[in-house]
Amino acid sequence: QVTLRESGPALVKPTQTLTLTCTFSGFSLSTSGMCVSWIRQPPGKALEWLALIDWDDDKYYSTSLKTRLTISKDTSKNQVVLTMTNMDPVDTATYYCARQYSGSYYLDYWGQGTLVTVSS
Amino acid sequence: NFMLTQPHSVSESPGKTVTISCTRSSGSIASNYVQWYQQRPGSAPTTVIYEDNQRPSGVPDRFSGSIDSSSNSASLTISGLKTEDEADYYCQSYDSSNPGVFGGGTKLTVL
Repeated sequence: QVTLRESGPALVKPTQTLTLTCTFSGFSLSTSGMCVSWIRQPPGKALEWLALIDWDDDKYYSTSLKTRLTISKDTSKNQVVLTMTNMDPVDTATYYCARQYSGSYYLDYWGQGTLVTVSS
Repeated sequence: NFMLTQPHSVSESPGKTVTISCTRSSGSIASNYVQWYQQRPGSAPTTVIYEDNQRPSGVPDRFSGSIDSSSNSASLTISGLKTEDEADYYCQSYDSSNPGVFGGGTKLTVL
């Protein structure tokens, strides 16, 4: 059974750095073809893909946010961490992690999401 | 980078058929698989179509996906509409440098 769960602060102040952790089970990120992505969704708005890390430690970032994002993995802990620097109120969103296959980049399992509010 | 454009909203009556389009701005729609996700309010997205036209187990065959190279678009068709199908639907595809491009989402109202 595949599960993913996001964790991190519910509230951050402007200019701070956000660190989110995705803890997963039911698969290994060392298996060929496996990837984990982060996606966010501001309230009432569309999904926005942020970053991906794959089994080979290759990393991909959203073109518009790449200067602010870092994704990493700890295979032994079954965790993927996303950091986003210089947070702004427009970054207020529900942040999801999801398992993704490298072949078709199909997101088959999602976490329940965590709401992050940016406010002073 | 390419974009995926969806209609903002569609509406149809129960029992009818509705089609939601997803148009790719550059590059061939047929070059990379397209997925479709359903999102109900307050919930995470779930997949209704993957790899253009494949249904995950548990998704009824009322849901189907297709690709049209002539219009460079993908389509999600839902037949025999039920009130439970009312949700937001997102298409998603990728290219060599962007593993996750989402469309802007379509709100389906079943009235």
